[in-house]
Amino acid sequence: GAGVSQTPSNKVTEKGKYVELRCDPISGHTALYWYRQSLGQGPEFLIYFQGTGAADDSGLPNDRFFAVRPEGSVSTLKIQRTERGDSAVYLCASTKDRDTGELFFGEGSRLTVL
Amino acid sequence: KNQVEQSPQSLIILEGKNCTLQCNYTVSPFSNLRWYKQDTGRGPVSLTIMTFSENTKSNGRYTATLDADTKQSSLHITASQLSDSASYICVVSDSYGANNLFFGTGTRLTVIP
Repeated sequence: GAGVSQTPSNKVTEKGKYVELRCDPISGHTALYWYRQSLGQGPEFLIYFQGTGAADDSGLPNDRFFAVRPEGSVSTLKIQRTERGDSAVYLCASTKDRDTGELFFGEGSRLTVL
Repeated sequence: KNQVEQSPQSLIILEGKNCTLQCNYTVSPFSNLRWYKQDTGRGPVSLTIMTFSENTKSNGRYTATLDADTKQSSLHITASQLSDSASYICVVSDSYGANNLFFGTGTRLTVIP
């Protein structure tokens, strides 16, 4: 597809379970971001990849959150031992040029932890 | 501290009317400022990107202005349509580290018939 693809679009899980959220960026975009957005708030930075490496993971709230991008394309955000406070929309974005390029967002994955 | 503040928090206007949304920032050094439109349940979509040297940029009925001296930007929407109902998010980049984007909390615009 032409845009950033995120799956699943909706995920309902129970407290304590493990969750994986996938992001397939636009082909050729080397920079990839993960954000978390709560209702009525702007996106909150989680982690940034340049290629395969996590250039900045300072936004990850704790060690239950982890993200990978093993081949420099698809990225997976992993959340262990989910808590109710993890409920939010998780947005992925990619860009060809981190400084001046347009940032393209996916539709997000809505996570609900019961 | 790098911050982006938007006002008003929410706005309701009649279809066909114009409106202006405000964005003030303290991000430094400044690289560029972006406005995004986010429909409910969707990802943000870029409207404009402005660098330091640009004072105004248009995208259809959307016109963004930038005053880098006062660190203010506005987004003007002309002849509003029902489809303009969305959140409008201001994002400022300092190009000064891996995470270089600072997001405002957005203005929620509702256009009513």
